[in-house]
Amino acid sequence: SQKIEQNSEALNIQEGKTATLTCNYTNYSPAYLQWYRQDPGRGPVFLLLIRENEKEKRKERLKVTFDTTLKQSLFHITASQPADSATYLCALQKGSTLGRLYFGRGTQLTVWP
Amino acid sequence: GAGVSQSPSNKVTEKGKDVELRCDPISGHTALYWYRQRLGQGLEFLIYFQGNSAPDKSGLPSDRFSAERTGESVSTLTIQRTQQEDSAVYLCASSLAAAQGNEKLFFGSGTQLSVL
Repeated sequence: SQKIEQNSEALNIQEGKTATLTCNYTNYSPAYLQWYRQDPGRGPVFLLLIRENEKEKRKERLKVTFDTTLKQSLFHITASQPADSATYLCALQKGSTLGRLYFGRGTQLTVWP
Repeated sequence: GAGVSQSPSNKVTEKGKDVELRCDPISGHTALYWYRQRLGQGLEFLIYFQGNSAPDKSGLPSDRFSAERTGESVSTLTIQRTQQEDSAVYLCASSLAAAQGNEKLFFGSGTQLSVL
């Protein structure tokens, strides 16, 4: 089965710095990889999707990279703000198992002023 | 409302009782998913529905768990003879079309189930 590992359960950085979160996976290579944000007591909220043939995707202060050789995705938040504090989840979608997303445990990001 | 709605938001039950959780997806979304999230854990896939196709039930942990969906609307997740290990947040999500293979999921706020 697919195994997904996200770097350290918690990441603390200072406001204005760039936060980098890692998502590593084993076994098959996913057709798609998604990143979600989850706040306490709420369901995850979609942020970005990147396909296996894409190396990088950007959206405002967010950037996602996808390295199928390393079986790794990096999620960057530039010019981080305290409001970015949340848990970030990566999710993989195998092309042949449409609709079924495998989620990692998430990394809890805290941005302090 | 415009989002995915789940009810109840909290449910406390006694071991051995049956519970029913409800999910109202976003109107027009053909795909619906149920996930379970234990404290400090990732999301565990349970089941998904796509239109009139047979649901993917491969994630259901035991035969005590079942789910139904009426057309492309409301879904209910039923847990029979609840056990303490069933305590978790049950999240429902919907998307436009799972057949595309790349649709983003819209989640509800979940039902916090506590089995005493």
